[in-house]
Amino acid sequence: EVQLLESGGGLVQPGGSLRLSCAASGFIFSSYAMSWVRQAPGKGLEWVSGISGSGGSTYYADSVKGRFTVSRDNSKNTLYVQMNSLRAEDTAVYYCAKDISSKTRGRFDPWGQGTLVTVSS
Amino acid sequence: QSALTQPASVSGSPGQSITISCTGTSSDVGGYNYVSWYQQHPGKAPKLMIYDVSNRPSGVSNRFSGSKSGNTASLTISGLQAEDDADYYCSSYTSSSTLVFGGGTKLTVL
Repeated sequence: EVQLLESGGGLVQPGGSLRLSCAASGFIFSSYAMSWVRQAPGKGLEWVSGISGSGGSTYYADSVKGRFTVSRDNSKNTLYVQMNSLRAEDTAVYYCAKDISSKTRGRFDPWGQGTLVTVSS
Repeated sequence: QSALTQPASVSGSPGQSITISCTGTSSDVGGYNYVSWYQQHPGKAPKLMIYDVSNRPSGVSNRFSGSKSGNTASLTISGLQAEDDADYYCSSYTSSSTLVFGGGTKLTVL
């Protein structure tokens, strides 16, 4: 069974940093692109960042470019996102999601259960 | 990248069919066949219902179907059931090699 388990969320002050992790199991991790998608409280989905199966290609939404860095460790079957210079508007549930191919094309199946990031003083 | 445009809400009675539209531009929906649709129940993670415009993942009911014409994609749900009551989101690959979601549509089964 494919499973994705996010961790690392919590309360952080504006301007602070946080690193989220997503532990994957049940599939050949290096064969699939992965993404981070967030959902602010009561709002819709927003794609944040994606990374190819090999890790050689990374992509970012304009809203986080220059502040967030996505990476993966295929030896540990784990996806990461380093979030710096956090703002109140980054407050959201962050989901990791597996694409159905090695390229980031937005066919996410499945998703993790999400981890809440709250940016507040 | 601007969000794709979806109606805020749609409704239908059990057994009826409904269609949710998702309008983008030639740089996203109209330019690629990488349109996906997701179903999300309150407090739950989204679930992939349609990918590549019209393909259904294994296990998804054939009551769900997708199509595209120009810059607008559509999700049709036939034979509405109570469990279809949920939020639905479309997404598309873009010319910037990024992804964009629609604002979401609340489906109410009356």
